[in-house]
Amino acid sequence: GENVEQHPSTLSVQEGDSAVIKCTYSDSASNYFPWYKQELGKRPQLIIDIRSNVGEKKDQRIAVTLNKTAKHFSLHITETQPEDSAVYFCAASIYNYGQNFVFGPGTRLSVLP
Amino acid sequence: EAGVAQSPRYKIIEKRQSVAFWCNPISGHATLYWYQQILGQGPKLLIQFQNNGVVDDSQLPKDRFSAERLKGVDSTLKIQPAKLEDSAVYLCASSFTDGRNTIYFGEGSWLTVV
Repeated sequence: GENVEQHPSTLSVQEGDSAVIKCTYSDSASNYFPWYKQELGKRPQLIIDIRSNVGEKKDQRIAVTLNKTAKHFSLHITETQPEDSAVYFCAASIYNYGQNFVFGPGTRLSVLP
Repeated sequence: EAGVAQSPRYKIIEKRQSVAFWCNPISGHATLYWYQQILGQGPKLLIQFQNNGVVDDSQLPKDRFSAERLKGVDSTLKIQPAKLEDSAVYLCASSFTDGRNTIYFGEGSWLTVV
């Protein structure tokens, strides 16, 4: 089955700097890659996603890149702010009958003022 | 739109006791998921329903966990008997099945087994 790895497990950056989180997946059939942000004690919330027919997607300060050949995708956050501090999860899924999502172990991002 | 509703939010039980969690998905979402999230880890799928049928329950510890979605809307996850290692957040999520892909999570049910 699918296996998703995520690095780093923790990341500290100064406010205003950029943050990059990387994920790799094992199943070449995976075709949808969302990123979720989870604040302490809250539900995971979708922040951006990318499909396998696209190499890059951007939404304001957040961008995601996908390399299907290497089977990895990355989350890029620019001009980080203290409210970006949270745990970020990547996931990979294959759309068949519904969705079957496999999540990475998470990255704890701390933005230091 | 209303989100995924879960209850109870918090539960503390002793090992070997039983517990049940309830979930009501977003209206119109045919797919419902139960995930287990142990502290410091990513969510792990326990079971996935499509309407009232099971799509995937390969990681559900069936000797102690059970789940049902009898009318294809709300769902119940039961643990009996509970073990210490079942302490986790149980997240319910739902999604459409028409290619829109996105899954929406509930706030979770926090279980502590002592």
